[in-house]
Amino acid sequence: DAGVIQSPRHEVTEMGQEVTLRCKPISGHDYLFWYRQTMMRGLELLIYFNNNVPIDDSGMPEDRFSAKMPNASFSTLKIQPSEPRDSAVYFCASSLGFSYNEQFFGPGTRLTVL
Amino acid sequence: AQSVSQHNHHVILSEAASLELGCNYSYGGTVNLFWYVQYPGQHLQLLLKYFSGDPLVKGIKGFEAEFIKSKFSFNLRKPSVQWSDTAEYFCAVNAVNRDDKIIFGKGTRLHILP
Repeated sequence: DAGVIQSPRHEVTEMGQEVTLRCKPISGHDYLFWYRQTMMRGLELLIYFNNNVPIDDSGMPEDRFSAKMPNASFSTLKIQPSEPRDSAVYFCASSLGFSYNEQFFGPGTRLTVL
Repeated sequence: AQSVSQHNHHVILSEAASLELGCNYSYGGTVNLFWYVQYPGQHLQLLLKYFSGDPLVKGIKGFEAEFIKSKFSFNLRKPSVQWSDTAEYFCAVNAVNRDDKIIFGKGTRLHILP
């Protein structure tokens, strides 16, 4: 299996622009997670899905952030409008059966907002 | 809300030294516990986990962790570290019967001197 795939790997944008991050989970996994990693706050869970349905989005920082999972093999995290404080590494992860089973992480997207 | 504390943000050791990384959590009920590792330039991956049974858990690459319920702790240990253990280590907790989320600590950066 190719593992969790994320794109793009790096994104540099200007403040106010819309940013869309993409994730393809491991085939057959029914849980998908979006995390944000910063030096100050560590690894934060933003939102997670079970069978394409958002279960908990309490970690989404503001209304500028939104996530969708239109099907079992694709999810997006969108920031509109982006701000410099959104600069971070965004990880997608997936797991099978239970959310606390081993999570398989993607390589991350390093976002820089100028 | 449940939380995870990793006491050491940055640890520097020489090869062959013994390692212990601290992890404490705040939830008083039943927990599932994890250590994840992120080697430089690589994905986060599971190092070991505790769900139930023997509180001394052995993971990959010679790592082990001990769950001490009375201390709300799950410290990671390795008797003799190698240069290749240089990485960032994350403790994580799932509060059973509370929610499906895994809460990660902020991580400990381990640097091994050759």
